[in-house]
Amino acid sequence: DQQVKQNSPSLSVQEGRISILNCDYTNSMFDYFLWYKKYPAEGPTFLISISSIKDKNEDGRFTVFLNKSAKHLSLHIVPSQPGDSAVYFCAASAGAGGTSYGKLTFGQGTILTVHP
Amino acid sequence: DAGITQSPRHKVTETGTPVTLRCHQTENHRYMYWYRQDPGHGLRLIHYSYGVKDTDKGEVSDGYSVSRSKTEDFLLTLESATSSQTSVYFCAISPGTGYSNQPQHFGDGTRLSIL
Repeated sequence: DQQVKQNSPSLSVQEGRISILNCDYTNSMFDYFLWYKKYPAEGPTFLISISSIKDKNEDGRFTVFLNKSAKHLSLHIVPSQPGDSAVYFCAASAGAGGTSYGKLTFGQGTILTVHP
Repeated sequence: DAGITQSPRHKVTETGTPVTLRCHQTENHRYMYWYRQDPGHGLRLIHYSYGVKDTDKGEVSDGYSVSRSKTEDFLLTLESATSSQTSVYFCAISPGTGYSNQPQHFGDGTRLSIL
């Protein structure tokens, strides 16, 4: 049972344009959502997160949107750059602290390719 | 970068042999995690630790054990390796203090091949 899904295995965009990566989840207990970026032979790097009390969070070129009613989140990258080419994972957690211990459930990942 | 070191970075071994992977952190973080990454599955949680000697199972814990005798070290052991455990293994850490949401930070992984 895949509780976090990234239905697009890959995405190709032109440099300077917007990249939109999508993620769906099924567990209504998830209340903290994150995006990670991963280059080959390296570990995932934290990009941006959002708590369920918000519907948008921005950090420079990266914006995450959360639609709780649709159980959907997206990552927008504007403008896209060739260095953004990587695998992007969304992840979700249920509850801060307590017995959740910050455990993350990950999506399958989306390979983003930004062409010069 | 978070001070996380995984060792070894690469290992090839044979079916049936024991294997231990080490994660060492210099951040004094309370929470530590082991994940495996496989094509089509993203990252899946194997085991995690919420303090010294405090560990619990994750989603894919069968065939794995862990130990944490010091804050800085979290060991993952495959008692008798099988080919299905060929994967890339990532360690992650998180402060685990208070009740605010905090991201996990990852090491660079161990590529394990079991022949």
